[in-house]
Amino acid sequence: DGGITQSPKYLFRKEGQNVTLSCEQNLNHDAMYWYRQDPGQGLRLIYYSQIVNDFQKGDIAEGYSVSREKKESFPLTVTSAQKNPTAFYLCASRREGGNQPQHFGDGTRLSIL
Amino acid sequence: QQPVQSPQAVILREGEDAVINCSSSKALYSVHWYRQKHGEAPVFLMILLKGGEQKGHEKISASFNEKKQQSSLYLTASQLSYSGTYFCGTDTSGANNLFFGTGTRLTVIP
Repeated sequence: DGGITQSPKYLFRKEGQNVTLSCEQNLNHDAMYWYRQDPGQGLRLIYYSQIVNDFQKGDIAEGYSVSREKKESFPLTVTSAQKNPTAFYLCASRREGGNQPQHFGDGTRLSIL
Repeated sequence: QQPVQSPQAVILREGEDAVINCSSSKALYSVHWYRQKHGEAPVFLMILLKGGEQKGHEKISASFNEKKQQSSLYLTASQLSYSGTYFCGTDTSGANNLFFGTGTRLTVIP
């Protein structure tokens, strides 16, 4: 079945470590997104990519990095520069063209040990 | 640019109706509505485009007032399965990058 797969579902990080969250889609979508969700704050955009080898910062990109080497993959690295990384991270993708909905993965919950 | 949603939370008995509002301070190209169950991915409900179009999805419908930069989601004859947090996402540039509201938590009780 087509869909978006995020892994792992739960992730624990020690202070000072970088961690990478995986996002893979087999929907042949061009655009991919990373959001952070904190309680009571909705979804905030971290990075997005509309084509391979190109990506743009969203509203809260500081302390995060991404790559888009393949159309189906858009991994997010949470670096040690991100001082408050505990959150629920959601990846989404969208078909190219106007007014297309975003489809979300099941999310990764990141916690600091 | 984050839209404002109201109310923040609402509790309904099965069969009752509810309205969730989404207001933007910027002109809108479209409004997207999603529902999220706790700990799960948001699920797409519908897109509203410029033109004041009203769309429907079984007993869930929505309207978009371009002039007022607002959208409303209507849930009629609510069911237990409607429980969750509803988010609106607004596109203010036409590029399909969305700003999401803080959500409205809807609880339907028997």
